[in-house]
Amino acid sequence: AQKVTQAQTEISVVEKEDVTLDCVYETRDTTYYLFWYKQPPSGELVFLIRRNSFDEQNEISGRYSWNFQKSTSSFNFTITASQVVDSAVYFCALTRLGGSNYKLTFGKGTLLTVNP
Amino acid sequence: ETGVTQTPRHLVMGMTNKKSLKCEQHLGHNAMYWYKQSAKKPLELMFVYNFKEQTENNSVPSRFSPECPNSSHLFLHLHTLQPEDSALYLCASSFSLRGGYTFGSGTRLTVV
Repeated sequence: AQKVTQAQTEISVVEKEDVTLDCVYETRDTTYYLFWYKQPPSGELVFLIRRNSFDEQNEISGRYSWNFQKSTSSFNFTITASQVVDSAVYFCALTRLGGSNYKLTFGKGTLLTVNP
Repeated sequence: ETGVTQTPRHLVMGMTNKKSLKCEQHLGHNAMYWYKQSAKKPLELMFVYNFKEQTENNSVPSRFSPECPNSSHLFLHLHTLQPEDSALYLCASSFSLRGGYTFGSGTRLTVV
């Protein structure tokens, strides 16, 4: 069985602060994908990043960075110099690699509020 | 527009009503999904279709009935729902994992 835990239910920061969203996962699969999605108030889930289990390199995209640690089964997401527009619910998700259907297992999400 | 369009955006229905949710994608994706998002709970996978064939029914009550007439369209037919079925229903599609899923904006359903 697969499981994704986002222990932080809500985080509130002031604009320009850095913030890290935690994600811990459980899977028996040796090959898998991890994702982060952003859900703004409008409702749709916006894809942010995909990481496969073969690749433990950390990734940076603008103010966003991701730290994948296979040894601790964690895939944490850091926003540097947060902005009000970053306010949203962020979901971490997991799926096994391969096959034609990709059933994502989601965490419960972390509500990030960035205050001006 | 995300590439996956869901209608209606909001729906209020009585417990004896019959209604349908619609999802449409023209991204060339072969798989389509229904997810349910309730407050304080993880997104729950409901149904999966691959090339119009249902490949997954995640123990969903029969008052939810999916239909996939072609690879671009997915419906969720609703009848005799309960108040606890009130939630955001999200449709998604995928072809490969290069970009993950593409989600629609969801239908906010309220059962009264």
